Amino acid sequence: NAGVTQTPKFQVLKTGQSMTLQCAQDMNHEYMSWYRQDPGMGLRLIHYSVGAGITDQGEVPNGYNVSRSTTEDFPLRLLSAAPSQTSVYFCASSDWGYNEKLFFGSGTQLSVL
Amino acid sequence: QQQVKQSPQSLIVQKGGIPIINCAYENTAFDYFPWYQQFPGKGPALLIAIRPDVSEKKEGRFTISFNKSAKQFSLHIMDSQPGDSATYFCAAKARYGGSQGNLIFGKGTKLSVKP
Repeated sequence: NAGVTQTPKFQVLKTGQSMTLQCAQDMNHEYMSWYRQDPGMGLRLIHYSVGAGITDQGEVPNGYNVSRSTTEDFPLRLLSAAPSQTSVYFCASSDWGYNEKLFFGSGTQLSVL
Repeated sequence: QQQVKQSPQSLIVQKGGIPIINCAYENTAFDYFPWYQQFPGKGPALLIAIRPDVSEKKEGRFTISFNKSAKQFSLHIMDSQPGDSATYFCAAKARYGGSQGNLIFGKGTKLSVKP
């Protein structure tokens, strides 16, 4: 049972570089989301999607892009990395609607130098 | 504006103690209140959840108490064990309504249970 798979687990970038954090789920969930976790800040929503072709912004979307071309995949793109984007990133998925249980991936630890 | 306020930030208890973590919310449209447990290096996982039509929910050693009028809810861990040492997040969401349908998390409480 793979659940939610995130790659890579660790990444170091230089300021201004771009990269894509990958997220895939095999539970046929309609809803997928990206959160970032910073010390003392909890989990903050970056972007979310309620189905293929539908994405929307969360609380902290600036500097990040997303797309949802398939039900399974929800990549997060950093176009020009900044040190403020140093964080642990979590992808999560769930059935949309009344079943709110979020299934989280194991996270990507990103450092921007 | 922080929609879900969680306290304390950290908590240390002895084995067998009853740690209590508190959360308060402001948005009266919220109708689902889960707690997530996160171990180091792992993603959060759903522990227990409650809806506002009940005042208490118990699952094993974990209990949520809910006070709708005060807009507060709390997590109690009975007979705490060292294996309960983790970070706990409260969260809230509305049933419908665009961005309010997303889970909004508190800032987390790091719990240490000493043997």
